Amino acid sequence: GENVEQHPSTLSVQEGDSAVIKCTYSDSASNYFPWYKQELGKGPQLIIDIRSNVGEKKDQRIAVTLNKTAKHFSLHITETQPEDSAVYFCAASRGGSGTYKYIFGTGTRLKVLA
Amino acid sequence: NAGVTQTPKFQVLKTGQSMTLQCAQDMNHNSMYWYRQDPGMGLRLIYYSASEGTTDKGEVPNGYNVSRLNKREFSLRLESAAPSQTSVYFCASNGRLNQPQHFGDGTRLSIL
Repeated sequence: GENVEQHPSTLSVQEGDSAVIKCTYSDSASNYFPWYKQELGKGPQLIIDIRSNVGEKKDQRIAVTLNKTAKHFSLHITETQPEDSAVYFCAASRGGSGTYKYIFGTGTRLKVLA
Repeated sequence: NAGVTQTPKFQVLKTGQSMTLQCAQDMNHNSMYWYRQDPGMGLRLIYYSASEGTTDKGEVPNGYNVSRLNKREFSLRLESAAPSQTSVYFCASNGRLNQPQHFGDGTRLSIL
């Protein structure tokens, strides 16, 4: 079935360094890829998303890249800060087929060390 | 703007008891979703409602039922709770297909 693999499961970086989280999806028809940040005791919150007609998108310190050929997409956080510490989830979905399902990765726990 | 509101936030049940989890959104979204989150398994879709009046099974529907009461509200019912249903349950909504989903803060459910 459809799945999304996410790596690494945990990531520790020094404050100010960059963090990269990678996801691979199996459904070649996927065309929408959101990233969510989940803080302790809260629901996931969208931080950035990308559609299949775009290769890269940036929002301040956060960027996402998409390689459709390889079915990979990645989250890049630069100049990390302690408040970036959280669990990050990637997801993939497809439109136009009546399917409303996101397939989520298993999450990456990011720790930013001060 | 409250967004997606889930009640209750915490609940402890005994095996065999029934329970309804409530979800309401104030963003005039068409689609609503119920997920469960277990350690190391990400978010798994239980049921979803693409629009008012329709519901469909997701990845893990067994042991659950849902009701789309109106455009705002989507409830999840456990008829006979089992320990395997101990989890954190999240409700989400979005306006259209392939639009960002907005999540509530979850219901933490323990079944003894």
